Amino acid sequence: SYELTQPPSVSVSPGQTASITCSRDKLGDKYVSWYQQKPGQSPLLIIYLHTNRPSGIPERFSGSNSGNTATLTITGTQAMDEADYYCQAWDRISGVEFGGGTKLTVL
Amino acid sequence: QVQLVQSGAEVQEPGASVKVSCKASGYTFTSYYVHWVRQAPGQGLEWVGVINPIDGGTRYAEKFRGRVSMTRDTSTATVYMKLTSLGSEATAVFYCARSPLDFHNPLPFDPWGQGTLVTVSS
Repeated sequence: SYELTQPPSVSVSPGQTASITCSRDKLGDKYVSWYQQKPGQSPLLIIYLHTNRPSGIPERFSGSNSGNTATLTITGTQAMDEADYYCQAWDRISGVEFGGGTKLTVL
Repeated sequence: QVQLVQSGAEVQEPGASVKVSCKASGYTFTSYYVHWVRQAPGQGLEWVGVINPIDGGTRYAEKFRGRVSMTRDTSTATVYMKLTSLGSEATAVFYCARSPLDFHNPLPFDPWGQGTLVTVSS
């Protein structure tokens, strides 16, 4: 089982906004990162420290974190965004935690 | 550019051990932690543990404690992960990944290695 809870799947139409949530008690007190993983590839960092994007990551990817829930938002979703998405946080007792992953389908 | 290059695929019998390497380049090896992450076929990401390249200090996830050991060779900028007592269900891809050397927040992971498939089969 995973300490961070994500929906197994999310579907979105091209050009629409996709939101993927990640939940845990008091998650807002922790720094959250998000990763994108396409089939056969290594995970790719897309959001860190709640809201920051590494260079090269499109502006349509954004993050937020408050209370018990962090959210990854993809605005103007494109077919190339179809992938698995994982949230991540650090806990000083249990160590690095990952969510179970969300499969984003662009219909 | 910053790169983590892992050793090739392995096939091991149940009960055996495996040792996977991760060679770093393009940055100062002792300035970043190196983590290992496991991903079983069709499953999610699972943190295995982390090593501090400065002093070799380690921290392992509870699930793997007692079966995993991580070491490093600063002369070759290489980190190793050894996993013992492989179970028949243990087939997985193992990734290494770099993170900031911050004890209070060792995130995010960037970049990741290309992954090493460890197949456990008799």
